[in-house]
Amino acid sequence: DAGVIQSPRHEVTEMGQEVTLRCKPISGHDYLFWYRQTMMRGLELLIYFNNNVPIDDSGMPEDRFSAKMPNASFSTLKIQPSEPRDSAVYFCASSFTGYTEAFFGQGTRLTVV
Amino acid sequence: DAKTTQPPSMDCAEGRAANLPCNHSTISGNEYVYWYRQIHSQGPQYIIHGLKNNETNEMASLIITEDRKSSTLILPHATLRDTAVYYCIVRVASGQNFVFGPGTRLSVLP
Repeated sequence: DAGVIQSPRHEVTEMGQEVTLRCKPISGHDYLFWYRQTMMRGLELLIYFNNNVPIDDSGMPEDRFSAKMPNASFSTLKIQPSEPRDSAVYFCASSFTGYTEAFFGQGTRLTVV
Repeated sequence: DAKTTQPPSMDCAEGRAANLPCNHSTISGNEYVYWYRQIHSQGPQYIIHGLKNNETNEMASLIITEDRKSSTLILPHATLRDTAVYYCIVRVASGQNFVFGPGTRLSVLP
């Protein structure tokens, strides 16, 4: 298995632009998590899905952030409009059930200038 | 509001055992202890988890005290590639998210 696949690995964009981050979870996994990591705040959960349904989005910082999971093999995290303070590494993770470990992708390093 | 306490940093000599402690004094009966690590610029990597019995896999051993208020992750023969930030996480096995604290930065020295 190729593991959790995220794209792009690096993204540099200008303030005000729309950014879309993509994630392909491990096949057969029912849970998908989006995390953000910064030096100041560490790793923090943004949102997670179960069977493609958003369960907890309380970590989404504001309305500029949105996440979708149209099917079991694909999820997106969109920021519109982007701001410099959104610069961070964004991780996607998936797990087989709510009782098992989660596997993380390699992350997308986002820089908003 | 991480439920665990870990030392911010530790050193270990290459080839020796690395023992990473974690306090989770408020752990509930249905909460598991998970360990992850993050090597620089990579995604967090699952290591091991347990409920109350000691666990061992090809990467590490997990020792949980009888009262479950603390645990120790043991890397039996640390290598330079084990240099990473190690996270101890307490999680209910019901689909909740993994809450990461600041972790322990382990430096394996040659």
